[in-house]
Amino acid sequence: AQTVTQSQPEMSVQEAETVTLSCTYDTSENNYYLFWYKQPPSRQMILVIRQEAYKQQNATENRFSVNFQKAAKSFSLKISDSQLGDTAMYFCAFMNTNAGKSTFGDGTTLTVKP
Amino acid sequence: DTGVSQDPRHKITKRGQNVTFRCDPISEHNRLYWYRQTLGQGPEFLTYFQNEAQLEKSRLLSDRFSAERPKGSFSTLEIQRTEQGDSAMYLCASSRRQVVGPETQYFGPGTRLLVL
Repeated sequence: AQTVTQSQPEMSVQEAETVTLSCTYDTSENNYYLFWYKQPPSRQMILVIRQEAYKQQNATENRFSVNFQKAAKSFSLKISDSQLGDTAMYFCAFMNTNAGKSTFGDGTTLTVKP
Repeated sequence: DTGVSQDPRHKITKRGQNVTFRCDPISEHNRLYWYRQTLGQGPEFLTYFQNEAQLEKSRLLSDRFSAERPKGSFSTLEIQRTEQGDSAMYLCASSRRQVVGPETQYFGPGTRLLVL
């Protein structure tokens, strides 16, 4: 069974600065997908960024980028130029290529301070 | 609004009662998922459907839980004889199965259940 670990329950960052959220996972699979989701307070979860394990290039979406280290089974999220609207809980998730369900970490609560 | 919708958004019930939640996926999505999220934790997979077929059920889904997706459209999740430990947020997500590449799951707002 896959496991996803987010070792930082809470983090804070000043507006306009950069912050990195950590995620590690455990799997015996070679092909899989990794995701970061954002869950704002009292709002629904939305996808931030995704990475296919067979791609060496790190995914980037505007201010969001990942550092994917397959050998280390590490998948961190970097948020540049943090904005107040980035305040949310962030979940790292793993998905097998042959199964649609996702395994989630317990989340990191990020607070962006003005 | 063409996103995933869930009804009700909140439910308070007494222990031992039955409750039913509904999820309406994005119309062209053929996969539908149910997750449970307790406070301070990430969502845990319960079950998922591809069209009307229930393809996988988690061990978390005890005999008191049942899910259906008639005609491959909306889905219902029923909990019988609720227990206080069932108190949680129940999330629904839908996606379109991809032949190649990851599918993106779109989540609904969830149904928050409180069992007294």
